[in-house]
Amino acid sequence: DAGVIQSPRHEVTEMGQEVTLRCKPISGHNSLFWYRQTMMRGLELLIYFNNNVPIDDSGMPEDRFSAKMPNASFSTLKIQPSEPRDSAVYFCASSYRQGLRNTEAFFGQGTRLTVV
Amino acid sequence: AQTVTQSQPEMSVQEAETVTLSCTYDTSESDYYLFWYKQPPSRQMILVIRQEAYKQQNATENRFSVNFQKAAKSFSLKISDSQLGDAAMYFCAFKETSGSRLTFGEGTQLTVNP
Repeated sequence: DAGVIQSPRHEVTEMGQEVTLRCKPISGHNSLFWYRQTMMRGLELLIYFNNNVPIDDSGMPEDRFSAKMPNASFSTLKIQPSEPRDSAVYFCASSYRQGLRNTEAFFGQGTRLTVV
Repeated sequence: AQTVTQSQPEMSVQEAETVTLSCTYDTSESDYYLFWYKQPPSRQMILVIRQEAYKQQNATENRFSVNFQKAAKSFSLKISDSQLGDAAMYFCAFKETSGSRLTFGEGTQLTVNP
């Protein structure tokens, strides 16, 4: 398996522009997570989906952020409009949840977003 | 809410030597998982080892082993025979067994000196 695939690996955009980050989870996994990593806040969960349904989006910083999972093999995280403080590494991760238990999460290589 | 604390921002070790990275956590849960992830300069988060709280036996994966002290809420990682490729940021993480969210520590930057 190719693992969790994220694109792009790097994104540089101007303030005010829309940014879309993409993720393909590991085939067969039914839970998908978006994390953000910054120097100030470390790694924090933004949102997670189970069976394509958003379960917990309490970590989404504000309405400028939105995430979708239209099917089991694809998810997007969108920022509109982007701001310099959104600059961070965004990770997608997936795992398999059966009943009340999840396997460990496997991470993609992350997207480094720079908003200038 | 759970918290995870890594009190060592940086550690260094000589190649072939042994190093221990510390992690403490706070939770009221009795059933949970603990993990160590490695983040090399490539940025990829790589799972190193995991421990289930109900298991008394410490997990081991080749040169990596943990010292899990449930009562003390301590979960340290020991790397034996350190190699240059072990140089990375190491994150300790907590997850409730019935939950999905990972709570991460601040990370420890490990340098391996040749």
